[in-house]
Amino acid sequence: DTEVTQTPKHLVMGMTNKKSLKCEQHMGHRAMYWYKQKAKKPPELMFVYSYEKLSINESVPSRFSPECPNSSLLNLHLHALQPEDSALYLCASSPAWTGTYEQYFGPGTRLTVT
Amino acid sequence: KQEVTQIPAALSVPEGENLVLNCSFTDSAIYNLQWFRQDPGKGLTSLLLIQSSQREQTSGRLNASLDKSSGRSTLYIAASQPGDSATYLCAVRRGRGAQKLVFGQGTRLTINP
Repeated sequence: DTEVTQTPKHLVMGMTNKKSLKCEQHMGHRAMYWYKQKAKKPPELMFVYSYEKLSINESVPSRFSPECPNSSLLNLHLHALQPEDSALYLCASSPAWTGTYEQYFGPGTRLTVT
Repeated sequence: KQEVTQIPAALSVPEGENLVLNCSFTDSAIYNLQWFRQDPGKGLTSLLLIQSSQREQTSGRLNASLDKSSGRSTLYIAASQPGDSATYLCAVRRGRGAQKLVFGQGTRLTINP
């Protein structure tokens, strides 16, 4: 099974709302990633978790809060977002310290902030 | 700082043609390079991954080559089909265990029936 799943597929939220994005993989990968992608641009790395610990934070605003409750799950908690945060949010996973480190991506969550 | 460039930004060809997509990178000290496909509004699908010690990888109608010393990779698509229409992204990984991928801007490919 080489699938990364993400829920929800679409999310519309107001600037005062709190919501969460969820990502799950069952490939035994110990590295998981959050990316943000704007239209016609490549994905931008936001966070990396390695062995359930945050290893990279690309200076992301604190209104985005990641969480890795176990080796299969990755959450992104959203609070007080701005309209410019509207984007496709992609989750990915890979082996953490072996092989090719090939990243597998989920289908994404399309987020609209109103 | 590693920079990855993909030219052209967009390409439109008739069905059945063989075509080549280009990816260049400024720092030849890479661990591997990954080619992805992305359909509009969807996630990335990994197509091929080439280790720095390899010259090429093949999967079906796709062939990716790597010339690390010149900082170039190509993705060759044989006998193109309308279903190949998508954006193709290349990304390089700097070192073993490196968790960051540096992406190119992508080539938007349209195959006309």
